[in-house]
Order: sequence, then structure tokens, then C-alpha cells
Amino acid sequence: QKEVEQDPGPLSVPEGAIVSLNCTYSNSAFQYFMWYRQYSRKGPELLMYTYSSGNKEDGRFTAQVDKSSKYISLFIRDSQPSDSATYLCAMSARETSGSRLTFGEGTQLTVNP
Amino acid sequence: GAGVSQSPSNKVTEKGKDVELRCDPISGHTALYWYRQSLGQGLEFLIYFQGNSAPDKSGLPSDRFSAERTGGSVSTLTIQRTQQEDSAVYLCASRPQGATARTEAFFGQGTRLTVV
Repeated sequence: QKEVEQDPGPLSVPEGAIVSLNCTYSNSAFQYFMWYRQYSRKGPELLMYTYSSGNKEDGRFTAQVDKSSKYISLFIRDSQPSDSATYLCAMSARETSGSRLTFGEGTQLTVNP
Repeated sequence: GAGVSQSPSNKVTEKGKDVELRCDPISGHTALYWYRQSLGQGLEFLIYFQGNSAPDKSGLPSDRFSAERTGGSVSTLTIQRTQQEDSAVYLCASRPQGATARTEAFFGQGTRLTVV
């Protein structure tokens, strides 16, 4: 069983829709949660970071962490065609950079004009 | 350079041949990671270098895979006797010294390896 599970999609939505992306994990040691966005033929880029449980909002993006359920979410409001990309959740157990990032498989999102 | 640079961008090799993939991290970044990305697997951790410490090789899938980092900068990932299942995009990432979990890992564009 993978440590991090993420539905690969593909997910296709109309412009303006609310998008919900999710990951579940099995390692209770994970405390640091990130979402990376990867455009086609590019490397992933950090989109959101959250520590422990709770919500974090940044513009049209909201990240949620529920440690009791081992479940994290990324919501995109008023989705735009430029949001079309693969979204990867990532997690680590330690605060220092010595901890590897464990990634989900990534969800491929297409926002149609 | 301004970002993480990987070469070559694409590599096609015959089964059984050895390949070398190069990563040039952001100047001054002490942490360097290699990941492999393939369909259905997401980003799979391979190896991690941090300064002069012994690398974390726990993600290397077999003894055909090895990596080194010379002078704390450039890193080379070597795959010996390539197999078709090695076909994937190999991504390198770096982080600065003192980075914490919230610090972004900067990725290169990857090397797309195809074993035929």
C-alpha cells in the first residue's frame, strides 16, 4: 500500500467551477503538508504549505488538513483555464530539510473555457 | 543559473546500456534530491544529498542505480544495464541550507528517459 493515495483523474471542469482535490495518507508521522502544481513538461512548483491540522487560504486556493482522518484537500475557487495542470500532494514527517518529501500520484486537472 | 538545470532533456537508450543523468542545482543549495516520475506511480523518491553527510539512498530501486554529488554541487544519477521499466522522467530538486519543511523544493524540468 502506498503511503499517500491520490486519485489521478483526469478531472475536467468548466471555467468558474470549484475544484476539490484530495489525498489520503497512512503515515501518522506526517505533519507537514504541501501542494505542488506541475505544468506539462515542467518540474513541480510549490503552491501551498500547511502545518498540522487546519485550513490555509491563499487567493483562490484553500488547503485543508484533517489529521484525525489522515485526509488533506485543496480547493480551487473560480477555476481558470490557466489552472490546468497536475496537482501533487506532498508530505514530510520532519521539520528539517533532511526529511524526504513523499508525493501522491498527482491529479490531472483540465479547466475548459 | 537561475534554476535547477538537468541534462539531457530527453534520452533514448537501448536496453542493457548504461546512462548518466546530470543535475546542476541552484547555486548555494546544499540539499539535492532525485525523484522518478512515471505513469501510475507519481513522484518516487530515489536519493537525497545534504551537504557533506552520507546520502540517503533508501529509495534507489536496485543496485543498478547509483548517484554521486561532486564538490557539493553537481550530481549524476547513473543507471546501469537499463531495463524498459526504467523508462520515466527523472527529476532533480534542490533546497537551500537551513531549509525547513515549508521551504520549497525547486525542481528542474527533468530528463525523460526512454529505454527501447
